[in-house]
Amino acid sequence: SYVLTQPPSVSVAPGKTARITCGGNNIESKSLHWYQQKPGQAPVLVIYYDSDRPSGIPERFSGSNSGNTATLTISRVEAGDEADYYCQVWLRSGDPCVFGTGTKVTVL
Amino acid sequence: QVQLVESGGGVVQPGRSLRLSCAASTFTFSSYGMHWVRQAPGKGLEWVAVISDDGSNKYYADSVKGRFTISRDNSENTLYLQMNSLREDDTAVYYCAKDWHHDILTGYLFDYWGQGTLVTVSS
Repeated sequence: SYVLTQPPSVSVAPGKTARITCGGNNIESKSLHWYQQKPGQAPVLVIYYDSDRPSGIPERFSGSNSGNTATLTISRVEAGDEADYYCQVWLRSGDPCVFGTGTKVTVL
Repeated sequence: QVQLVESGGGVVQPGRSLRLSCAASTFTFSSYGMHWVRQAPGKGLEWVAVISDDGSNKYYADSVKGRFTISRDNSENTLYLQMNSLREDDTAVYYCAKDWHHDILTGYLFDYWGQGTLVTVSS
């Protein structure tokens, strides 16, 4: 089965840049989406199709996808960005939907 | 703004059944695929099932196949999840989620989520 691997945690100071990786075999061939989940809340879509932002998501959030690694980048990090982040892909065979293991972003 | 409100969660004994509902509003419910996604306490997200806009296509995660049934009533703008033969590892918050696509055969992308309903399976 297809596995998406994320670092368990990322720590970043306010105003700095956080980079969250999502690793998977030939992930660049798949459409990759990112979700933010704050404690006690439902997930929110922050990046779709590798690098597009839904309306209402700040431009500080950006995404890229190349080779075996996709990356969610949060620029000028704010305290309100502290959350768990999950990547997700759709597969044409096998289990059709896979989520990454999740990354907890801590703002120092 | 899209609204999804789940209900039907609770405490149930192993082997019993439970039916979850998700009431949708402020979008054309009958035009989109809909999903159930769950999250065990302290764990990550796990996709459970999807149903096409007209209800004709349904797909399930291997972990629930044969035990759970997804359905929808487009006249009532409501999504359902019938859960049978529940096990302790089914304990989770269950979210309903709207798909961004009209056609679920083109991809899964969750653009709106409900607040979730907690299902606890315990003796």
